[in-house]
Amino acid sequence: QSALTQPASVSGSPGQSITISCTGTSSDVGSFNLVSWYQHHPGKAPKVMIYEGTKRPSGVSDRFSGSKSGNTASLTISGLQAEDEADYYCCSYAGSTTLVFGGGTKLTVL
Amino acid sequence: QLQLQESGPGLVKPSGTLSLTCAVSGGSLSSNNYFWAWIRQPPGKGLEWIGSIYYSGGTYYNPSLKSRATISVDTSNNQFSLKLNSVTAADTAVFYCARGEGYCSGGDCWGFYFDYWGQGTLVTVSS
Repeated sequence: QSALTQPASVSGSPGQSITISCTGTSSDVGSFNLVSWYQHHPGKAPKVMIYEGTKRPSGVSDRFSGSKSGNTASLTISGLQAEDEADYYCCSYAGSTTLVFGGGTKLTVL
Repeated sequence: QLQLQESGPGLVKPSGTLSLTCAVSGGSLSSNNYFWAWIRQPPGKGLEWIGSIYYSGGTYYNPSLKSRATISVDTSNNQFSLKLNSVTAADTAVFYCARGEGYCSGGDCWGFYFDYWGQGTLVTVSS
């Protein structure tokens, strides 16, 4: 079970859109529509932003959206705001009731 | 509002056993379709799923931990625990407990995401 691959960092200016990719394999991301995304501000508990690939929990801004193509899932944040600056992690179901996280992506709002 | 709080020693000696407890308030461990999990984050690194337990008793672990981890539930005190044995410096991390929602039935699976997390507790492995 190898960690999912995410870019180490992405950046964007306020108001712009950014996309974070999350690449797995045919055993995890590619086989299930069960990718979740977490926003993590250092020192705080992670917060789920997307689950089941595209669904937003109640209270999460519609500026956050998820998608998937093949073995790669993506998180898009539109209308970037200063408070979006955080670390973002993807996580996928990997079969047999196991889960695997990505290495994380640091988002910088310029 | 569900709340989770980790507790346990902040320092563990190499080759020893790391023991943590997660106290759950505002909800019950016996809720259907939920599982209870431990996740860790080594300094400067990403999140790593350690393992999960369902109220029914099923437990599932990250294969990379090579059977060093054990997760158990204490329903009388509404808490669950993690034991990680034979620890080394590489096990130094912030440990989070979390509630997950997800289940499989008839070959189909749903959810498998974490909706509530504890604040995390740092455990250092050092002599």
